[in-house]
Amino acid sequence: GQNIDQPTEMTATEGAIVQINCTYQTSGFNGLFWYQQHAGEAPTFLSYNVLDGLEEKGRFSSFLSRSKGYSYLLLKELQMKDSASYLCAVWGFNKFYFGSGTKLNVKP
Amino acid sequence: NAGVMQNPRHLVRRRGQEARLRCSPMKGHSHVYWYRQLPEEGLKFMVYLQKENIIDESGMPKERFSAEFPKEGPSILRIQQVVRGDSAAYFCASSPGTASAQPQHFGDGTRLSIL
Repeated sequence: GQNIDQPTEMTATEGAIVQINCTYQTSGFNGLFWYQQHAGEAPTFLSYNVLDGLEEKGRFSSFLSRSKGYSYLLLKELQMKDSASYLCAVWGFNKFYFGSGTKLNVKP
Repeated sequence: NAGVMQNPRHLVRRRGQEARLRCSPMKGHSHVYWYRQLPEEGLKFMVYLQKENIIDESGMPKERFSAEFPKEGPSILRIQQVVRGDSAAYFCASSPGTASAQPQHFGDGTRLSIL
Protein backbone atom coordinates (compact mmCIF):
# COMPACT_ATOMS: atom_id res chain seq x y z
CA GLY A 1 0.00 0.00 0.00
CA GLN A 2 0.90 3.66 -0.05
CA ASN A 3 1.65 5.54 3.12
CA ILE A 4 2.72 9.16 3.45
CA ASP A 5 3.02 10.69 6.90
CA GLN A 6 3.29 14.33 7.90
CA PRO A 7 2.61 16.09 11.20
CA THR A 8 -0.95 17.35 11.35
CA GLU A 9 -0.22 20.82 12.62
CA MET A 10 2.72 23.06 13.53
CA THR A 11 3.09 26.54 14.96
CA ALA A 12 6.03 28.89 14.41
CA THR A 13 6.87 32.55 14.91
CA GLU A 14 7.19 35.19 12.22
CA GLY A 15 10.81 35.52 11.11
CA ALA A 16 11.78 32.06 12.36
CA ILE A 17 12.70 28.87 10.47
CA VAL A 18 10.43 25.83 10.39
CA GLN A 19 11.02 22.31 9.10
CA ILE A 20 8.11 20.15 7.99
CA ASN A 21 8.93 16.45 7.76
CA CYS A 22 7.45 13.81 5.49
CA THR A 23 8.05 10.07 5.50
CA TYR A 24 6.77 7.80 2.78
CA GLN A 25 6.36 4.17 1.80
CA THR A 26 5.12 3.78 -1.74
CA SER A 27 5.25 1.02 -4.32
CA GLY A 28 6.81 3.33 -6.87
CA PHE A 29 8.95 6.43 -6.57
CA ASN A 30 9.81 8.91 -9.28
CA GLY A 31 10.00 12.12 -7.28
CA LEU A 32 8.76 13.93 -4.18
CA PHE A 33 6.87 17.20 -4.44
CA TRP A 34 5.80 19.88 -1.99
CA TYR A 35 2.69 22.00 -2.45
CA GLN A 36 1.26 24.91 -0.48
CA GLN A 37 -2.49 25.21 -0.04
CA HIS A 38 -4.24 28.17 1.55
CA ALA A 39 -7.70 27.46 2.95
CA GLY A 40 -10.29 27.28 0.21
CA GLU A 41 -7.72 27.60 -2.57
CA ALA A 42 -5.92 25.35 -5.03
CA PRO A 43 -2.57 23.75 -4.15
CA THR A 44 0.39 25.59 -5.64
CA PHE A 45 3.69 23.93 -6.46
CA LEU A 46 6.66 24.84 -4.25
CA SER A 47 9.54 22.43 -4.81
CA TYR A 48 10.47 18.92 -5.80
CA ASN A 49 13.30 16.39 -5.49
CA VAL A 50 14.07 13.47 -7.71
CA LEU A 51 17.58 12.76 -6.42
CA ASP A 52 18.92 12.81 -2.86
CA GLY A 53 19.98 16.14 -1.47
CA LEU A 54 18.84 19.67 -0.93
CA GLU A 55 17.01 21.86 -3.45
CA GLU A 56 16.89 25.55 -2.61
CA LYS A 57 14.37 28.03 -4.00
CA GLY A 58 14.49 31.37 -2.26
CA ARG A 59 13.00 31.07 1.23
CA PHE A 60 11.97 27.47 0.58
CA SER A 61 14.24 24.42 0.48
CA SER A 62 13.40 20.74 0.19
CA PHE A 63 15.52 17.75 1.11
CA LEU A 64 15.23 14.12 0.07
CA SER A 65 16.74 10.85 1.28
CA ARG A 66 15.39 8.01 -0.84
CA SER A 67 17.09 5.30 1.24
CA LYS A 68 15.29 6.56 4.34
CA GLY A 69 12.00 7.37 2.63
CA TYR A 70 12.25 10.86 4.10
CA SER A 71 11.89 14.43 2.98
CA TYR A 72 11.55 17.80 4.62
CA LEU A 73 10.48 21.26 3.58
CA LEU A 74 12.38 24.12 5.17
CA LEU A 75 10.83 27.57 5.32
CA LYS A 76 13.08 30.48 6.32
CA GLU A 77 12.22 34.02 7.42
CA LEU A 78 8.64 33.04 8.03
CA GLN A 79 5.96 35.52 7.07
CA MET A 80 2.35 35.66 8.16
CA LYS A 81 1.27 34.77 4.63
CA ASP A 82 3.06 31.42 4.99
CA SER A 83 0.19 30.26 7.22
CA ALA A 84 -1.23 27.47 5.08
CA SER A 85 -1.28 23.71 4.67
CA TYR A 86 1.79 22.07 3.17
CA LEU A 87 1.23 18.89 1.22
CA CYS A 88 3.87 16.26 0.60
CA ALA A 89 3.25 14.19 -2.54
CA VAL A 90 5.09 11.23 -4.03
CA TRP A 91 4.98 10.70 -7.77
CA GLY A 92 4.65 6.95 -8.20
CA PHE A 93 3.34 5.00 -11.15
CA ASN A 94 1.31 7.52 -13.15
CA LYS A 95 -0.13 9.26 -10.12
CA PHE A 96 0.57 11.39 -7.10
CA TYR A 97 0.06 10.05 -3.61
CA PHE A 98 -0.62 12.95 -1.27
CA GLY A 99 -0.11 13.14 2.45
CA SER A 100 -2.88 14.65 4.56
CA GLY A 101 -0.98 17.92 4.82
CA THR A 102 0.61 19.89 7.65
CA LYS A 103 -1.25 22.98 8.77
CA LEU A 104 1.30 25.67 9.61
CA ASN A 105 0.24 28.53 11.86
CA VAL A 106 2.58 31.52 11.83
CA LYS A 107 2.24 33.79 14.87
CA PRO A 108 3.45 37.37 15.18
CA ASN B 1 -0.94 32.10 -19.95
CA ALA B 2 -4.24 30.66 -18.82
CA GLY B 3 -3.92 28.16 -16.02
CA VAL B 4 -6.08 25.14 -15.37
CA MET B 5 -9.70 26.25 -15.62
CA GLN B 6 -12.43 24.54 -13.66
CA ASN B 7 -16.12 25.32 -13.64
CA PRO B 8 -18.32 25.80 -11.92
CA ARG B 9 -16.54 27.03 -8.77
CA HIS B 10 -19.52 26.08 -6.67
CA LEU B 11 -22.22 23.55 -7.47
CA VAL B 12 -25.28 22.72 -5.41
CA ARG B 13 -27.29 19.60 -6.13
CA ARG B 14 -30.11 17.73 -4.43
CA ARG B 15 -29.75 14.07 -3.63
CA GLY B 16 -30.39 11.95 -6.70
CA GLN B 17 -29.41 14.60 -9.23
CA GLU B 18 -26.39 14.52 -11.52
CA ALA B 19 -23.30 16.68 -11.11
CA ARG B 20 -21.00 17.59 -13.99
CA LEU B 21 -17.63 19.16 -13.28
CA ARG B 22 -15.50 20.56 -16.08
CA CYS B 23 -11.76 21.03 -16.41
CA SER B 24 -9.72 22.62 -19.19
CA PRO B 25 -5.99 21.89 -18.79
CA MET B 26 -3.21 24.40 -19.25
CA LYS B 27 -2.25 25.10 -22.82
CA GLY B 28 0.15 22.44 -24.03
CA HIS B 29 -0.81 19.96 -21.30
CA SER B 30 -2.28 16.68 -22.45
CA HIS B 31 -2.61 14.88 -19.12
CA VAL B 32 -5.44 15.53 -16.68
CA TYR B 33 -5.90 14.28 -13.12
CA TRP B 34 -8.92 14.54 -10.84
CA TYR B 35 -8.69 14.66 -7.04
CA ARG B 36 -11.20 14.85 -4.23
CA GLN B 37 -10.59 16.70 -0.99
CA LEU B 38 -12.69 16.60 2.15
CA PRO B 39 -12.32 19.41 4.73
CA GLU B 40 -9.10 19.19 6.75
CA GLU B 41 -7.90 16.26 4.66
CA GLY B 42 -5.38 15.68 1.88
CA LEU B 43 -6.04 15.20 -1.81
CA LYS B 44 -7.25 11.76 -2.86
CA PHE B 45 -6.42 10.64 -6.39
CA MET B 46 -9.45 9.66 -8.45
CA VAL B 47 -8.53 9.30 -12.13
CA TYR B 48 -5.81 10.07 -14.67
CA LEU B 49 -6.74 10.73 -18.29
CA GLN B 50 -5.11 11.58 -21.56
CA LYS B 51 -7.05 12.66 -24.62
CA GLU B 52 -9.69 10.00 -25.31
CA ASN B 53 -8.06 7.57 -22.88
CA ILE B 54 -8.45 6.67 -19.23
CA ILE B 55 -4.98 5.73 -18.02
CA ASP B 56 -5.68 5.01 -14.35
CA GLU B 57 -9.07 5.07 -12.63
CA SER B 58 -8.06 3.15 -9.54
CA GLY B 59 -9.29 5.95 -7.25
CA MET B 60 -12.76 6.20 -8.75
CA PRO B 61 -15.73 4.69 -6.91
CA LYS B 62 -17.05 1.75 -8.91
CA GLU B 63 -20.54 3.16 -9.24
CA ARG B 64 -22.04 6.54 -10.13
CA PHE B 65 -18.69 8.18 -11.01
CA SER B 66 -17.26 8.50 -14.50
CA ALA B 67 -14.73 10.68 -16.26
CA GLU B 68 -13.82 11.51 -19.81
CA PHE B 69 -11.37 13.69 -21.72
CA PRO B 70 -12.64 13.94 -25.30
CA LYS B 71 -10.59 14.89 -28.32
CA GLU B 72 -12.21 18.31 -28.29
CA GLY B 73 -13.35 20.16 -25.21
CA PRO B 74 -12.76 19.94 -21.48
CA SER B 75 -12.42 16.92 -19.27
CA ILE B 76 -15.66 16.05 -17.48
CA LEU B 77 -16.12 14.36 -14.12
CA ARG B 78 -19.68 13.12 -13.82
CA ILE B 79 -21.38 12.00 -10.64
CA GLN B 80 -24.78 10.40 -11.08
CA GLN B 81 -27.45 10.12 -8.39
CA VAL B 82 -25.45 12.22 -5.93
CA VAL B 83 -25.57 11.48 -2.21
CA ARG B 84 -24.62 13.64 0.79
CA GLY B 85 -21.24 11.90 1.03
CA ASP B 86 -20.26 13.28 -2.37
CA SER B 87 -20.00 16.78 -0.87
CA ALA B 88 -16.34 17.77 -1.27
CA ALA B 89 -13.94 19.93 -3.22
CA TYR B 90 -12.96 18.39 -6.53
CA PHE B 91 -9.67 19.54 -8.00
CA CYS B 92 -8.36 19.01 -11.48
CA ALA B 93 -4.65 19.15 -12.32
CA SER B 94 -2.75 18.96 -15.58
CA SER B 95 0.80 18.24 -16.65
CA PRO B 96 2.72 18.13 -19.92
CA GLY B 97 2.91 14.39 -19.57
CA THR B 98 6.54 13.69 -20.27
CA ALA B 99 8.14 10.54 -18.94
CA SER B 100 10.00 12.32 -16.14
CA ALA B 101 8.41 13.67 -12.98
CA GLN B 102 6.69 16.98 -13.60
CA PRO B 103 4.85 19.21 -11.17
CA GLN B 104 1.12 19.27 -11.69
CA HIS B 105 -0.73 22.54 -11.95
CA PHE B 106 -4.07 22.72 -10.20
CA GLY B 107 -7.32 24.47 -11.00
CA ASP B 108 -9.24 26.39 -8.33
CA GLY B 109 -11.55 23.44 -7.76
CA THR B 110 -15.29 22.89 -7.73
CA ARG B 111 -17.00 22.87 -4.34
CA LEU B 112 -19.86 20.43 -4.57
CA SER B 113 -22.62 20.67 -1.97
CA ILE B 114 -25.41 18.11 -1.77
CA LEU B 115 -28.64 19.18 -0.12
